[in-house]
Amino acid sequence: QLQLQESGPGLVKPSETLSLTCTVSGDSITTASNHWGWVRQPPGKGLEWIGSLYLRGRTFYNDSLKSRVTISVDTSKNQYSLTVTSVTAADTAVYYCAKQITNWFDPWGQGILVTVSS
Amino acid sequence: DIQMTQSPSSVSASVGDTVTIACRTSQDINNWLAWYQQRPGKAPRLLIYTASSLQSGVPSRFSGSGFGTDFSLTISSLQPEDFATYFCQQSHSFPYTFGQGTKLEI
Repeated sequence: QLQLQESGPGLVKPSETLSLTCTVSGDSITTASNHWGWVRQPPGKGLEWIGSLYLRGRTFYNDSLKSRVTISVDTSKNQYSLTVTSVTAADTAVYYCAKQITNWFDPWGQGILVTVSS
Repeated sequence: DIQMTQSPSSVSASVGDTVTIACRTSQDINNWLAWYQQRPGKAPRLLIYTASSLQSGVPSRFSGSGFGTDFSLTISSLQPEDFATYFCQQSHSFPYTFGQGTKLEI
């Protein structure tokens, strides 16, 4: 059964870099038909697509975050990662990783709350 | 960016009722629309994709319809576990965008 699990620090200081990892189990991250995404949800608010990782490492990002976001893959660990630089309080959110099937997300990881605060 | 507008923002219903949630997009997206359910403190769960296709394992009381810019999610014979927040998502073009959510309350 496919499972995704986010990990990383729950607290990041303003202006620093947020780094999260998504560990995939039950499927290979390198299978040609598999794509992988990141979505975030500020507390009490809606969902925001951050970006997606496609075959052969192609990535697509939300323009609202594009200059600060990088999604990368570590095939040896069956993981992919999210990095957001120069964070502010507006980046406080629950961050989800999810498998992207065609253009939909399923399943999702349980999510990890990242708070930006000094 | 394609704007997503869900209505209503919240709706009250009872077990056994039928409810319909609407989602309108700012541009024609063909049928590139999905619906998700999110229970409190949990991750979203895919219910419907391509506007009307039921995701595997999702009960048949959930159904979706629509094309172009107007879409709807209908839940018939509401069960206690259906009380949650529902989001629509377009994947016609980047950036993928979500509706603001509809909270289904008892």
